[in-house]
Amino acid sequence: DIVMTQSPESLAVSLGERATINCKSSQSVLYSSNNKNYLAWYQQKPGQPPKLLIYWASTRESGVPDRFSGSGSGTDFTLTISSLQAEDVAVYYCQQYYSTPFTFGPGTKVDIK
Amino acid sequence: EVQLLESGGGLVQPGGSLRLSCAASGFTFSTNGLSWVRQAPGKGLEWVSVINYNAGSTYYADSVKGRFTISRDNSKNTLYLQMNSLRAEDTAVYYCAKNSGGSCYSHFDNWGQGTLVTVSS
Repeated sequence: DIVMTQSPESLAVSLGERATINCKSSQSVLYSSNNKNYLAWYQQKPGQPPKLLIYWASTRESGVPDRFSGSGSGTDFTLTISSLQAEDVAVYYCQQYYSTPFTFGPGTKVDIK
Repeated sequence: EVQLLESGGGLVQPGGSLRLSCAASGFTFSTNGLSWVRQAPGKGLEWVSVINYNAGSTYYADSVKGRFTISRDNSKNTLYLQMNSLRAEDTAVYYCAKNSGGSCYSHFDNWGQGTLVTVSS
């Protein structure tokens, strides 16, 4: 199974500042035949289902603000919120869909400092 | 607008069974893979199972393999999860999620609101 880890577990950032979340997979999720990283990022606010933010590691889902960006390849990935807004307070999960069982990271909680 | 509406959750005794349903609308149901993802109270997300667009492929987490069965009825636009031999550790909110493509290997672009399953005596 591919193990997903995230760091930090939580972070508090001032409004308008940058938030960076790291995600690491225990093996590569880059599929060589199409050169795509099978890695997604989700946002979950309290009492709500998760919401897709980023897929293929760096493609922003339609309607997601452009302050959210994803980067990385192979085993190391990053979600960046360029200018934190109050509505971004949530838990963020990375997930690999390269091989079953599909696995999520443990989540990173983002708060306002 | 894509809508996924789960139902069938509730309180069940250990060893019991439950069948969850997910009624879908707003997209061509028969062209997308579908998944179940669960979240225990206060915990993170755990993928449970996935089925491709025509039910030709299904996969399960080791924690539910042999006890849970995923299926779909493309004529009714409905996804199912039959859960047998339930354990306390199966207690969670169960989310239905739409895969972005027809295969199993794609991200989840829409999620339902979830249905709570509680396994307790």
